[in-house]
Amino acid sequence: DAKTTQPPSMDCAEGRAANLPCNHSTISGNEYVYWYRQIHSQGPQYIIHGLKNNETNEMASLIITEDRKSSTLIQPHATLRDTAVYYCIVRSGSEKLVFGKGTKLTVNP
Amino acid sequence: NAGVTQTPKFQVLKTGQSMTLQCAQDMNHNSMYWYRQDPGMGLRLIYYSASEGTTDKGEVPNGYNVSRLNKREFSLRLESAAPSQTSVYFCASSLRTGVNYGYTFGSGTRLTVV
Repeated sequence: DAKTTQPPSMDCAEGRAANLPCNHSTISGNEYVYWYRQIHSQGPQYIIHGLKNNETNEMASLIITEDRKSSTLIQPHATLRDTAVYYCIVRSGSEKLVFGKGTKLTVNP
Repeated sequence: NAGVTQTPKFQVLKTGQSMTLQCAQDMNHNSMYWYRQDPGMGLRLIYYSASEGTTDKGEVPNGYNVSRLNKREFSLRLESAAPSQTSVYFCASSLRTGVNYGYTFGSGTRLTVV
């Protein structure tokens, strides 16, 4: 599975959009981009995933660049409960999810 | 709407004791997984079960055994606990194996081996 690079931390004001970047420059054609988050002391929570096209669900939007070498997770109206560590993961066929260090997002009032 | 339920939530064991961590899902998922999370190490896959009746080793299977009791339940057993097995254990499930399916995780079991 391709390696990902994320900033270690970000801050966001409550009610504003949180845009979390992820670099995956070595991604191959059959690898999906996944986003999970982990709120303190809880299990990881699936957010969204995509292959080539931008995706949106009730939790967030995923923007993948045309060359697929990077992506951005967008949480349009961040709340205090969105404070968590966000993990960007690239998956091929392996059942092993490789969680890196992620981005610690702090939503401030 | 329970999702994935893990029991117990906390456990302290003495070195050499055995115990079984229980996991059940109510989403009719076919695949189930056991991960451990250690500080600075991220999550590591211990075992998984692609479907009822099958189990496979993950990245760190030594010291553990698993049982896929039925479609709903997947247990993890420590036969002789060691301090190195102190960790947070997460069970997860997905509709099936494969790259296009997300996981639902339980809330974890925090295990300390003294």
